[in-house]
Amino acid sequence: GDSVTQMEGPVTLSEEAFLTINCTYTATGYPSLFWYVQYPGEGLQLLLKATKADDKGSNKGFEATYRKETTSFHLEKGSVQVSDSAVYFCALSDLRDDKIIFGKGTRLHILP
Amino acid sequence: ETGVTQTPRHLVMGMTNKKSLKCEQHLGHNAMYWYKQSAKKPLELMFVYNFKEQTENNSVPSRFSPECPNSSHLFLHLHTLQPEDSALYLCASSQDSRIPTGEQYFGPGTRLTVT
Repeated sequence: GDSVTQMEGPVTLSEEAFLTINCTYTATGYPSLFWYVQYPGEGLQLLLKATKADDKGSNKGFEATYRKETTSFHLEKGSVQVSDSAVYFCALSDLRDDKIIFGKGTRLHILP
Repeated sequence: ETGVTQTPRHLVMGMTNKKSLKCEQHLGHNAMYWYKQSAKKPLELMFVYNFKEQTENNSVPSRFSPECPNSSHLFLHLHTLQPEDSALYLCASSQDSRIPTGEQYFGPGTRLTVT
């Protein structure tokens, strides 16, 4: 079945560092891809999405490009802030139903 | 209140207790979901309701019993739970599960500990 694999955390970076969180997926069809973020004490929020190959999703300085050839959707940010500390979830949905398949999450710590 | 709210935020219960989790969404959505979030595991979808009708039961044990009296409210009734049921229980909503977009709105969760 469909699945999502993302890098284990925690990831610890200094403020203003470059961030990459790797995500790869396995799917039989052509899924839409998502990054959700969970700040401490809160539920998940949709951060960005891409619905077809070569699409780039972006929001709040974060970007991810849908790479069909490598089945990847890596999350990047050029300069992280302390407020970016959270757990990041890569996810996919084939949109045939409303099921979303989530990865295990990657915890990000940003040090001032 | 805005968004999706959940009460209580924390719950400790014994294995013989009966308790209920409550979720309310103020977004005008028609679909509501229960997820289980355990450490080191992906989010597990438990139940889906669309326009008050249950459309998904993901092989959840009968000690978890959902209830959806209207499109804005969702409950999860708990009885005779096991310690391995300790987890964060998240509620989510979306516009209409028959029109999937992948965009769901989550509450902050109820942290459940079963002793």
